[in-house]
Amino acid sequence: DAKTTQPTSMDCAEGRAANLPCNHSTISGNEYVYWYRQIHSQGPQYIIHGLKNNETNEMASLIITEDRKSSTLILPHATLRDTAVYYCFNLAAGNKLTFGGGTRVLVKP
Amino acid sequence: GAVVSQHPSWVICKSGTSVKIECRSLDFQATTMFWYRQFPKQSLMLMATSNEGSKATYEQGVEKDKFLINHASLTLSTLTVTSAHPEDSSFYICSARGTGRSYEQYFGPGTRLTVT
Repeated sequence: DAKTTQPTSMDCAEGRAANLPCNHSTISGNEYVYWYRQIHSQGPQYIIHGLKNNETNEMASLIITEDRKSSTLILPHATLRDTAVYYCFNLAAGNKLTFGGGTRVLVKP
Repeated sequence: GAVVSQHPSWVICKSGTSVKIECRSLDFQATTMFWYRQFPKQSLMLMATSNEGSKATYEQGVEKDKFLINHASLTLSTLTVTSAHPEDSSFYICSARGTGRSYEQYFGPGTRLTVT
């Protein structure tokens, strides 16, 4: 599976926007950018995905660069419940998710 | 979003016994299910992939005779840890991917297994 790279950890302030970067240097044309998160002791949760356009849903926004080599997940108003490990993926149809280290996000009051 | 359940949410068993974990897709048909294992402070590790009605495909290093996977219907997969040992204590998580949902995997809440 194609790999992505993310910072190991980051802190953000409650109520502020959290911007999580991801490098997708080996992404291919048929792969989507996917983001999941795992809150402690829970199963991973789907957040958002996109191909090349920016996307927004009730949880987050996703910004994908024009060359698709990087993306940014934006949590517009981080809350303490957003403390989790966030994972980005390159994912094509029929492929399986293999997890790297992700970014450990700590939202501080 | 799609809902996946697991049962039990936690289990304690004695060394040498077998434990069965169920994974159900509640509101969609799951053509493919995945089983992951997660040790403390580590990321999820994929154990196996199963398609409904077919034998599971195990990742390298995962013993297929120890971790029995059955995907007998489009809404149910089971993982049986046979002859469990303390080193099998872990957080087991399943995920499911449905027909028409060729990308997203939806995850269950996980089952914490403790072998004493």
